[in-house]
Amino acid sequence: SQQGEEDPQALSIQEGENATMNCSYKTSINNLQWYRQNSGRGLVHLILIRSNEREKHSGRLRVTLDTSKKSSSLLITASRAADTASYFCAPGGLTGGGNKLTFGTGTQLKVEL
Amino acid sequence: GEEVAQTPKHLVRGEGQKAKLYCAPIKGHSYVFWYQQVLKNEFKFLISFQNENVFDETGMPKERFSAKCLPNSPCSLEIQATKLEDSAVYFCASSQTTGNYGYTFGSGTRLTVV
Repeated sequence: SQQGEEDPQALSIQEGENATMNCSYKTSINNLQWYRQNSGRGLVHLILIRSNEREKHSGRLRVTLDTSKKSSSLLITASRAADTASYFCAPGGLTGGGNKLTFGTGTQLKVEL
Repeated sequence: GEEVAQTPKHLVRGEGQKAKLYCAPIKGHSYVFWYQQVLKNEFKFLISFQNENVFDETGMPKERFSAKCLPNSPCSLEIQATKLEDSAVYFCASSQTTGNYGYTFGSGTRLTVV
């Protein structure tokens, strides 16, 4: 299975600013997913980008994927205090729905008022 | 909306006691996954099921841990003779048959072994 590595480990910004976090992985993928974990809660699926897509938007989220560089980025625009959470990427392999997700240590985002 | 239901939310066990955690996946999802989060940001994959069959158990400790997904019952993860190091939050997730959908995670069971 693949494991994504998120960068930076921690990010602190002011409300209203944009937050960018990156993910690198090592092997071929079918898709890549981003998840959010608020303190003490489970992971929440944010967005999935397929290997043949380069960019995808969902509300204030923008994800890019560069398969040649084996990297992805998650941009949160106009951040809010409620965006404070840990963010994880999960590269998806070439198998079907049973493909297990392997998570890195995440990016801890803190949005200050 | 639909959710993965995990019970109990909190579980405290004395060292050596048994712990049993439950997970009701979303109806229609074929796959169920169990993860262990020991430190705040480190997830360890334990086991996955395709319906009631073990799909991938490469992360499952060989001793003391077992899991089942039986028809018409919640899935379960059982730890025999718990140890202090088993203290963690255990998450269950389910997914559809194909791989191009996100996985839905439950809110976890916090196991504390004292």
